[in-house]
Amino acid sequence: GAGVSQSPSNKVTEKGKDVELRCDPISGHTALYWYRQSLGQGLEFLIYFQGNSAPDKSGLPSDRFSAERTGGSVSTLTIQRTQQEDSAVYLCASSFRPRGKETQYFGPGTRLLVL
Amino acid sequence: QKEVEQNSGPLSVPEGAIASLNCTYSDRGSQSFFWYRQYSGKSPELIMSIYSNGDKEDGRFTAQLNKASQYVSLLIRDSQPSDSATYLCAVKGVTDSWGKLQFGAGTQVVVTP
Repeated sequence: GAGVSQSPSNKVTEKGKDVELRCDPISGHTALYWYRQSLGQGLEFLIYFQGNSAPDKSGLPSDRFSAERTGGSVSTLTIQRTQQEDSAVYLCASSFRPRGKETQYFGPGTRLLVL
Repeated sequence: QKEVEQNSGPLSVPEGAIASLNCTYSDRGSQSFFWYRQYSGKSPELIMSIYSNGDKEDGRFTAQLNKASQYVSLLIRDSQPSDSATYLCAVKGVTDSWGKLQFGAGTQVVVTP
């Protein structure tokens, strides 16, 4: 079946504007994760969804970041009042279940540039 | 101390040689370990997973796990130019039950013809 998809693939915005990033997980995957990868850095966990609930938001860097998931499927990550340090690649991953040996499959990412 | 550590490289490997990548982790109770390959400008793709001590082989790739030493490695045999990428070590820790992966910063591998 289709893999994880994300949109937009690239986003350029001005400092202070709000942006929305979308993730469409693999059909049937109940677990959905958002990660962020800054230039030359490893992946940083942001938030995890099981169904429509977010039991782990510990990675969100500030209250400007929020996310939701609807219908146990599509998720939207919103960044309000963007700052230049928000520039990064935002990656979404999904897995059938969250625990144990389940593999996380990554989408192509959204490259966000804040000017 | 970072939870997952890797040498950043670059690791330069002649074509046909063995590339050896290392990763250490701090959460002693971790149970699941993954190696992802990431080409420049692309998203990570899973190449190996390992859960038990010992070796696991898949084609030209061998993952090795030593939980007592909190160490996981990846060997790439007969390295090809197409293996040039950044290799990310990821660990699923037991202290967090929601399955999030802790990633190392990645090791850049450059295979020279």
